[in-house]
Amino acid sequence: GIQVEQSPPDLILQEGANSTLRCNFSDSVNNLQWFHQNPWGQLINLFYIPSGTKQNGRLSATTVATERYSLLYISSSQTTDSGVYFCAVERNFGNEKLTFGTGTRLTIIP
Amino acid sequence: EAGVVQSPRYKIIEKKQPVAFWCNPISGHNTLYWYLQNLGQGPELLIRYENEEAVDDSQLPKDRFSAERLKGVDSTLKIQPAELGDSAVYLCASSLVSFTEAFFGQGTRLTVV
Repeated sequence: GIQVEQSPPDLILQEGANSTLRCNFSDSVNNLQWFHQNPWGQLINLFYIPSGTKQNGRLSATTVATERYSLLYISSSQTTDSGVYFCAVERNFGNEKLTFGTGTRLTIIP
Repeated sequence: EAGVVQSPRYKIIEKKQPVAFWCNPISGHNTLYWYLQNLGQGPELLIRYENEEAVDDSQLPKDRFSAERLKGVDSTLKIQPAELGDSAVYLCASSLVSFTEAFFGQGTRLTVV
């Protein structure tokens, strides 16, 4: 099956800082999503972005499908941004499932 | 629009007891997923439904786990008997069809003692 790697595994930043999270995947994909898992365990959809660039407030994401990676940018970090960020990918091929990476744990310090 | 609803939110049971989780997907969503998330790891798929049909259950431990999706809407995941290693968060998700954006419920945190 497809392999998904996220980096860095942990990130600690001061409030107001900017950050870039990376997701690498081993094969072409039809579906790529970024999620934020908050401290209560809820997975919150951030972006559905199999290719291209999207922005939503302080967050933006870019997927370069031909080079098999996606980036999540967080600007002017706030303490509420803390949590684990997951990238998940899926291929429309055989029985491929929505596969998650191992996540990046982001901690924003006031 | 209501999101994916799961119940219960928390469950504590003794080992060897049965347990069941319920999921109500977003209205109109044909695809339903059950995921298992262990502490510090990403979610892993247990089973995926297209309407009433289980199209991917290769990761479901069928000796003790079972699932059903009656009428292609609500779904139930059951464990019988539960083991200590089943302690985890069980997540349900739905999407309009496969390979489109998936939305997750709040999960059920199971503790087996």
